[in-house]
Amino acid sequence: EVQLVQSGVEVKKPGESLKISCKGSGYSFTTYWIGWVRQMPGKGLEWMGMVYPGDSDARYSPSFQGHVTISADNSITTAYLQWDSLKASDSAMYYCARDGDSGSGSYDYWGQGTLVTVSS
Amino acid sequence: DIQMTQSPSSLSASVGDRVSITCRTSQSINTYLNWYQQKPGKAPKLLIYAASNLQSGVPSRFSGSGSGTDFTLTISSLQPEDSAIYYCQQTYGMSYSFGQGTKLEIK
Repeated sequence: EVQLVQSGVEVKKPGESLKISCKGSGYSFTTYWIGWVRQMPGKGLEWMGMVYPGDSDARYSPSFQGHVTISADNSITTAYLQWDSLKASDSAMYYCARDGDSGSGSYDYWGQGTLVTVSS
Repeated sequence: DIQMTQSPSSLSASVGDRVSITCRTSQSINTYLNWYQQKPGKAPKLLIYAASNLQSGVPSRFSGSGSGTDFTLTISSLQPEDSAIYYCQQTYGMSYSFGQGTKLEIK
C-alpha cells in the first residue's frame, strides 16, 4: 500500500529554521517525483515545487524559489521541505504528494499534511 | 508562468443536478490538466488526470473534457457527498500550478 506520512505539527518563532518531512512507503521511492503544496488558512492550493529522489533534481515555483529548499534522502525514503528563516506568512498547512504513474503530473497519493504555525 | 482561471468561484446546486466547472489556462497545455476534490480538514483527492481520465475508484458521475486552454469538470448527477472544493491543476512543463478553486454547495 502506497503511503506518504508527514511529520507533526510545528510551532516556531519568526527567524527560526524548520525542516518538515514526508516518508514514502509501499512503492519505489526513487522513481516518482514528490511535490509540495501549501494551503494557507482558508485559502486555495499553491504548488511550491518538487523533487525527484532518484537524482535529487529539484524544481521550484517562481513564487517559492529562494525561500524554501526541497530535498530527499533515498536511504530513508523521505522527502523534505525546509526554511532557513521563517516568517509569520509561512503559517500554513503543507502537503506532500506523489506524482503518479499517469505521466500527466497528477498527484495520486497525498500525505496527511503538516501544520506550521509561525508566531512570536 | 501559466495563469489559470477557474469558474465559477462558488455554486449551489441540488441533488441530482448536472454541474460543470471550467478551467482556462493562459497558454495551451495540451491535456496536462488534472482535477481534485478537497473536503474540509482533508488532503485533496485526485478525480481526473490528463483532462479526461477517471482516477481509479472515483465514481463514474465525474468526468472531464477539454484540451489546449479550455477544460471542464462535470458531475452528471450531484450527490450530497460531492459538497467540497474543486481545484484544477496544470502540469505542463516543470512548473505546475492550481486554479483558485470552486466551492460546491448542495442546496
